[in-house]
Amino acid sequence: GAVVSQHPSRVICKSGTSVKIECRSLDFQATTMFWYRQFPKQSLMLMATSNEGSKATYEQGVEKDKFLINHASLTLSTLTVTSAHPEDSSFYICSARGPSGSQNIQYFGAGTRLSVL
Amino acid sequence: GDSVTQMEGPVTLSEEAFLTINCTYTATGYPSLFWYVQYPGEGLQLLLKATKADDKGSNKGFEATYRKETTSFHLEKGSVQVSDSAVYFCALSYSNYQLIWGAGTKLIIKP
Repeated sequence: GAVVSQHPSRVICKSGTSVKIECRSLDFQATTMFWYRQFPKQSLMLMATSNEGSKATYEQGVEKDKFLINHASLTLSTLTVTSAHPEDSSFYICSARGPSGSQNIQYFGAGTRLSVL
Repeated sequence: GDSVTQMEGPVTLSEEAFLTINCTYTATGYPSLFWYVQYPGEGLQLLLKATKADDKGSNKGFEATYRKETTSFHLEKGSVQVSDSAVYFCALSYSNYQLIWGAGTKLIIKP
């Protein structure tokens, strides 16, 4: 089946630094990827939709200058949390729209636990 | 707008008990319906799906039937195991693939 790899799985950083999270589709091309944020005991909040070769579409209330998304190839999207602060600590999950024939299915990475000190 | 409502958790059951997690939806069109599962510390995995009314999705002993008349997609399993302990999310999606999520239901299975 379609596999999405997300790296790193866990990161701890100091306040004010930037953190990059990678999301790769391993065995299929993903023209569209999604970035979610999950707060403890809550559902997923869609942050942005990432389309290969174009600018990401951000959901209302998500700061695009804070959460930089780059989708430069058909298998890689990155989320950079710039000048991270403790309130950015969260579980970030990416997903990719499935390959041809299963495009209304999203395949998820394992998530990245970000802790900002 | 479209929405998904799940029963609140946590749901605590003994091993081999029968499981039902309720999910109802409101939709303006004819979406596909999904159940995703999130095991502790992991990302989400697709558990099962149904694309049209009366379809039954099934996987790993779990089943859910797309009921248009009751706008429901309840998740069931005849005999749960400790390894089924996880958070279960119901979701809907149209062909534009954006998922609309329920709040999730935490399932705890005790040996």
